Amino acid sequence: DAGITQSPRHKVTETGTPVTLRCHQTENHRYMYWYRQDPGHGLRLIHYSYGVKDTDKGEVSDGYSVSRSKTEDFLLTLESATSSQTSVYFCATGQDFITEAFFGQGTRLTVV
Amino acid sequence: DQQVKQNSPSLSVQEGRISILNCDYTNSMFDYFLWYKKYPAEGPTFLISISSIKDKNEDGRFTVFLNKSAKHLSLHIVPSQPGDSAVYFCAASGKDNFNKFYFGSGTKLNVKP
Repeated sequence: DAGITQSPRHKVTETGTPVTLRCHQTENHRYMYWYRQDPGHGLRLIHYSYGVKDTDKGEVSDGYSVSRSKTEDFLLTLESATSSQTSVYFCATGQDFITEAFFGQGTRLTVV
Repeated sequence: DQQVKQNSPSLSVQEGRISILNCDYTNSMFDYFLWYKKYPAEGPTFLISISSIKDKNEDGRFTVFLNKSAKHLSLHIVPSQPGDSAVYFCAASGKDNFNKFYFGSGTKLNVKP
């Protein structure tokens, strides 16, 4: 399994505050992803990265930004958290062209 | 609008019998399909995949079938075991962006002993 660490694993935050979730990988995978999982929606892609400083939007990118300054780290920032962003967030990595993605254990974020 | 759909939120099967999980997609550019399994409080783990040049791929107890004309794929688990109880997600990626995966909403499989 790819070494993927998400931090924090759980977080409760207040509406309107900024929040940053971190994903760290040890496998030197080129691709990194942020997904959110919500009941009835499955996994939805927020943003992904195809290299250092190369990122693109996914299906549900509004209210989120990302940064990737090193191969191993991919940060997801909620600029001003809202209750609709309460979710479980998963980071994933992918090695190369048409391979499966490997997932981290998830971060449960609650916005109150 | 979801491009990958799993219309059955749950499925219950007796141990030893076949489990069939279904998935439909709408984007004709999709040409690579995957199944993931997810246990509670864990991340999804890759199970099996199929490329559009095939119509079947088998790995042990797991077989994925692809019907391109119907834009439909299915995962067969034979024989089903209690340890297979989990949420199963299908996912797809396309010729226009191979490493961008779209997921369905998942099917919760319960295998009864």
